Amino acid sequence: QTVVTQEPSFSVSPGGTVTLTCGLSSGSVSTSYYPSWYQQTPGQAPRTLIYSTNTRSSGVPDRFSGSILGNTAALTITGAQAADESDYYCVLYMGSGISVFGTGTKVTVL
Amino acid sequence: EVQLEESGGGLIQPGGSLRLSCAASGFTVSTNFMSWVRQAPGKGLEWVSIIYSGGSTYNADSVKGRFTISRDNSKNTLYLQMNSLRAEDTALYYCARYLHNYEYFDYWGQGTLVTVSS
Repeated sequence: QTVVTQEPSFSVSPGGTVTLTCGLSSGSVSTSYYPSWYQQTPGQAPRTLIYSTNTRSSGVPDRFSGSILGNTAALTITGAQAADESDYYCVLYMGSGISVFGTGTKVTVL
Repeated sequence: EVQLEESGGGLIQPGGSLRLSCAASGFTVSTNFMSWVRQAPGKGLEWVSIIYSGGSTYNADSVKGRFTISRDNSKNTLYLQMNSLRAEDTALYYCARYLHNYEYFDYWGQGTLVTVSS
């Protein structure tokens, strides 16, 4: 059973920078897992932010960036805004049609 | 404009069956990969099922043998047939278009709620 782990929560000050990570219960995350990132605010459907590790989806502000950091995928918010207060999920592609969502990170901006 | 609209959710007793629909517009379901993702109340997102443009299907272990994904090309609609429903299947079910070769979900519907309870 593959588990994709994320930090449960993060707090960031307005204008600050926060980096969320996405790891595997066993093994390292690489670009071969095609990491993607989604933002979800309460009561709303997920919104696609980043795909293929570091490509921003259409309309996503450039304060959101994706990367591989060590053995994890990472989402960095630079210059956080109040509107960025949301839950963030990563997804890793495992092959054979299977995608696994991370456990999610709740980001608070205060 | 790409749009996805789910329907068919509701209250169902344990052991019952339900079929969810996802009507697509702005693109052709049959030439795309399509998926179902669910979210239990207060919980995270969970991938459920995917259908490839060629017709191959894959399911999460949690629903294997009970849920079947399919599509009706003439109606440009995706389906999820759910049988032998359990309390733990209670969730908001989203349909999403999946972009193959980039391996991500690019468009999402607003979801339909399934509640399994006696």
